[in-house]
Amino acid sequence: DQQVKQNSPSLSVQEGRISILNCDYTNSMFDYFLWYKKYPAEGPTFLISISSIKDKNEDGRFTVFLNKSAKHLSLHIVPSQPGDSAVYFCAATARAGGTSYGKLTFGQGTILTVHP
Amino acid sequence: GAGVSQSPSNKVTEKGKDVELRCDPISGHTALYWYRQRLGQGLEFLIYFQGNSAPDKSGLPSDRFSAERTGESVSTLTIQRTQQEDSAVYLCASSPRAIGGYTFGSGTRLTVV
Repeated sequence: DQQVKQNSPSLSVQEGRISILNCDYTNSMFDYFLWYKKYPAEGPTFLISISSIKDKNEDGRFTVFLNKSAKHLSLHIVPSQPGDSAVYFCAATARAGGTSYGKLTFGQGTILTVHP
Repeated sequence: GAGVSQSPSNKVTEKGKDVELRCDPISGHTALYWYRQRLGQGLEFLIYFQGNSAPDKSGLPSDRFSAERTGESVSTLTIQRTQQEDSAVYLCASSPRAIGGYTFGSGTRLTVV
């Protein structure tokens, strides 16, 4: 069963515009969410995270929004730059109770292409 | 080292052979994770180490897969009698503590022919 889903395999955006990447989850125990960015032939790099006690976290051009009732989160990139072109993975973990050991459940990824 | 190092970066092996994949985590990172990414899919958790112990091996797909860690440092993932469905990128990550947001290596691309 796919507990974390990214339903859009790809997204194409013009430079300077907003990129919105979406992610849905089904496991109510998840309480910490992360976004990773991956370039070809490299490992994923951590981008931004959000705890379930918040509904928004911002870091420069990147903002993550969490809607717990809908079990949905999104990553906004404003303004988008060609260097942002990469695969973006959403991930989730259940930290409460201290049993997750940091084990992450990942979505399938969304390929973002930002055109100059 | 400065980052998580994995070797080899690429491995082509014949079906039925055994392979060993190596991970050198960031020095001092006690938590170490193995994931794999098959083509077009997300990352699948394989195993977690805290120090040299593996409290969570739940992601290992079969008994052909095993992993060990020594000296709270290097980890080796071994796949015995490889099958074509084992073809994937195997990623290792380490963290100073088990809370996520960890650092990944560049991975080993395994191709079983």
